[in-house]
Amino acid sequence: ETGVTQTPRHLVMGMTNKKSLKCEQHLGHNAMYWYKQSAKKPLELMFVYNFKEQTENNSVPSRFSPECPNSSHLFLHLHTLQPEDSALYLCASSQSNQVAYEQYFGPGTRLTVT
Amino acid sequence: AQSVTQLGSHVSVSEGALVLLRCNYSSSVPPYLFWYVQYPNQGLQLLLKYTSAATLVKGINGFEAEFKKSETSFHLTKPSAHMSDAAEYFCAVSEPFGNEKLTFGTGTRLTIIP
Repeated sequence: ETGVTQTPRHLVMGMTNKKSLKCEQHLGHNAMYWYKQSAKKPLELMFVYNFKEQTENNSVPSRFSPECPNSSHLFLHLHTLQPEDSALYLCASSQSNQVAYEQYFGPGTRLTVT
Repeated sequence: AQSVTQLGSHVSVSEGALVLLRCNYSSSVPPYLFWYVQYPNQGLQLLLKYTSAATLVKGINGFEAEFKKSETSFHLTKPSAHMSDAAEYFCAVSEPFGNEKLTFGTGTRLTIIP
């Protein structure tokens, strides 16, 4: 595997389900990010982790729970979601000791909440 | 605080014509600037970046962008559009040595007319 991978690519879940999204980066980076991309809305930064420590929580509802066990893996645990949470969830990584924090993105997980 | 504005949510050009996608930024310090491209059902891919070296930056797929401090702009151009350029394009800004965050614009969808 190369770059940033995300699984699953598509997920349909009911409002009472619990599921998790997984992200893995193979780039040796130390920072990882979760974004939400909804139709007709700007890309929304949700969480930032730097060296496994959460450095940003952008007022995300508690039904989204991130986990970063190491610098290569990032999870987003989902429970009791709402239909408006349906979106493309993108994971990204970067190397924070570089001059510019250019981010590398995974292909995303298309989430549909029914 | 930093921000970017992308003028025109939709741009259509004929195949072979000049592509011009506009981005203006606002930043309290000299910024780093990025252009990303997103093809359908995929994540964002870095096209090019400006990190205070040369003001004219060349990227992948024949794209380039020019940093103009006096106009606070970083417009993306390509001399001759190809059908494969049809995608959504995002401009982003970050502050050097600030934090890991990128601030994205709302995106411009580029359509190529055969």
